[in-house]
Amino acid sequence: AQSVAQPEDQVNVAEGNPLTVKCTYSVSGNPYLFWYVQYPNRGLQFLLKYITGDNLVKGSYGFEAEFNKSQTSFHLKKPSALVSDSALYFCAVRDMRGNTGKLIFGQGTTLQVKP
Amino acid sequence: DAGVTQSPTHLIKTRGQQVTLRCSPKSGHDTVSWYQQALGQGPQFIFQYYEEEERQRGNFPDRFSGHQFPNYSSELNVNALLLGDSALYLCASSLGQGGIEQYFGPGTRLTVT
Repeated sequence: AQSVAQPEDQVNVAEGNPLTVKCTYSVSGNPYLFWYVQYPNRGLQFLLKYITGDNLVKGSYGFEAEFNKSQTSFHLKKPSALVSDSALYFCAVRDMRGNTGKLIFGQGTTLQVKP
Repeated sequence: DAGVTQSPTHLIKTRGQQVTLRCSPKSGHDTVSWYQQALGQGPQFIFQYYEEEERQRGNFPDRFSGHQFPNYSSELNVNALLLGDSALYLCASSLGQGGIEQYFGPGTRLTVT
């Protein structure tokens, strides 16, 4: 079965420190992977995606993610966290069984950045 | 450039009632997908509409139905509402049935009492 796991319900970091939000996936074939961010009472905002190519993907707002095929992981990273990065983060994988772009999401990780 | 819009923003319904949610895709997009996000959960795929037809359906009962109009906008209908249908309903649009990048709207918060 295709799935995404975000093992941490919450990640706490101090402003200015590096942050990592973890994601592992299970999918047959080569995965299409995504990170989205959700602010309170808002929809999802696209941060970045991995389709193919360089394992380090750069996205919006200074975020990047590293694709690791052997570990089936796609962790989200940022070198220096901002208080404004505090939000709910979702990792998603495209369901490759159909040609509809259906996304399978993880449970989400709340990122709390403290001043 | 108009993004994905959804209406209404919030809705309160009673068990057993029916509800219709609406979505207008991002300008230039022709495909609409609907997701349900229960409190504390990740979004779950309901179905996708492309060329006015339902193309793929997630694990949702027939009480959930939809429609896509010639201008690519879409409606999500839910009949015989249950308390468990309370959630944030997200619409996402993309270009083409298999479009890689999906743009999400702000969602409609449905509360069933």
